[in-house]
Amino acid sequence: SQTIHQWPATLVQPVGSPLSLECTVEGTSNPNLYWYRQAAGRGLQLLFYSVGIGQISSEVPQNLSASRPQDRQFILSSKKLLLSDSGFYLCAWSTGAGGNTIYFGEGSWLTVV
Amino acid sequence: TQLLEQSPQFLSIQEGENLTVYCNSSSVFSSLQWYRQEPGEGPVLLVTVVTGGEVKKLKRLTFQFGDARKDSSLHITAAQPGDTGLYLCAGGANAGNMLTFGGGTRLMVKP
Repeated sequence: SQTIHQWPATLVQPVGSPLSLECTVEGTSNPNLYWYRQAAGRGLQLLFYSVGIGQISSEVPQNLSASRPQDRQFILSSKKLLLSDSGFYLCAWSTGAGGNTIYFGEGSWLTVV
Repeated sequence: TQLLEQSPQFLSIQEGENLTVYCNSSSVFSSLQWYRQEPGEGPVLLVTVVTGGEVKKLKRLTFQFGDARKDSSLHITAAQPGDTGLYLCAGGANAGNMLTFGGGTRLMVKP
């Protein structure tokens, strides 16, 4: 069966510090990978998605970047965090064969202080 | 741009009551998913519906996809405190395209 894991689960970082959130998927190959941000416990904002190694599409201009160094690894980064980067970040995957259903990781709480 | 509107945004009810959450759009979707999310965790898929008029049941939860595939509803019978959470609907336009998420409905069921 497929599993998705992201870490760290909780992170408190000062303004201006770097960020690295990691996500890995097991049990499937060539998945579509996503990073979402959720503020105030409501809707999801798609930040980045990737259909393959090194292929990253950004949905919103921001202080963050994403990379996919391996088929089942997705990394969310920032060189200098802003207060507005605080939120709940979710990694997700879907089958690369055209399935719409998305499966989410456990989430990472980021607080920028 | 495809939009999905969920209503109500917030719902607080007593244990044992019934409720319905709506997910509406002016766009046609090829599939519609419902997720439930608990605080501090990722959303968990409840159901996927793909056929207009389709009805799926998951214990006390009934999901319906509109005939025109533009809307969906989630009905919970005899709600329990364990049903508390954020319910999200998400629509897919074509296989492989990005999902469009609704804003969510936050449900609280009081014992």
